[in-house]
Amino acid sequence: NAGVTQTPKFRILKIGQSMTLQCAQDMNHNYMYWYRQDPGMGLKLIYYSVGAGITDKGEVPNGYNVSRSTTEDFPLRLELAAPSQTSVYFCASEGSGANVLTFGAGSRLTVL
Amino acid sequence: AQSVTQLGSHVSVSEGALVLLRCNYSSSVPPYLFWYVQYPNQGLQLLLKYTSAATLVKGINGFEAEFKKSETSFHLTKPSAHMSDAAEYFCAVSDRAGANNLFFGTGTRLTVIP
Repeated sequence: NAGVTQTPKFRILKIGQSMTLQCAQDMNHNYMYWYRQDPGMGLKLIYYSVGAGITDKGEVPNGYNVSRSTTEDFPLRLELAAPSQTSVYFCASEGSGANVLTFGAGSRLTVL
Repeated sequence: AQSVTQLGSHVSVSEGALVLLRCNYSSSVPPYLFWYVQYPNQGLQLLLKYTSAATLVKGINGFEAEFKKSETSFHLTKPSAHMSDAAEYFCAVSDRAGANNLFFGTGTRLTVIP
């Protein structure tokens, strides 16, 4: 089915390790987003992209990096993982700029 | 800058009872308003949106929301709760189309009691 695919669904990291959360969409959407969701805090925007080769910081970008080499893929990289990065991460995409987002199922990351 | 406030982080209703989830917004321009729903272990999905057409907006699964400018509110309602409505609900606001213009509230978790 068409949509947003995130991998992995679960991951445990040790402090200082690095990893990449993968996100792919097959709807030819220009806009893509990475959010983190913490209990009682709603969703906070980490990074977003308006098209291949274009990325920009959101509200909470520190400790993360992104790239957008293709329209389909928008990986999120965590460098030097810290316990504060324990969270559920959601990737989303949007085609029209009308703020109707399609979300992936999420990636739960625990940093110990 | 725009923002939303969701009153009540947890709401419990009996099956068959009215569901009312509250959302108040702040925006310096006419807003676009949204309700998203998140079922357990899933991503968010759009429930309904207001974009300055009709003030009463109907969404999926029998939900609706009414835009009240005088009260700066966009409360979500459903006449009769069903067990399958148990989820977390997020109100969101935007002041224009385009990326990085959607701001989410902190969410309200709805529990439906059989």
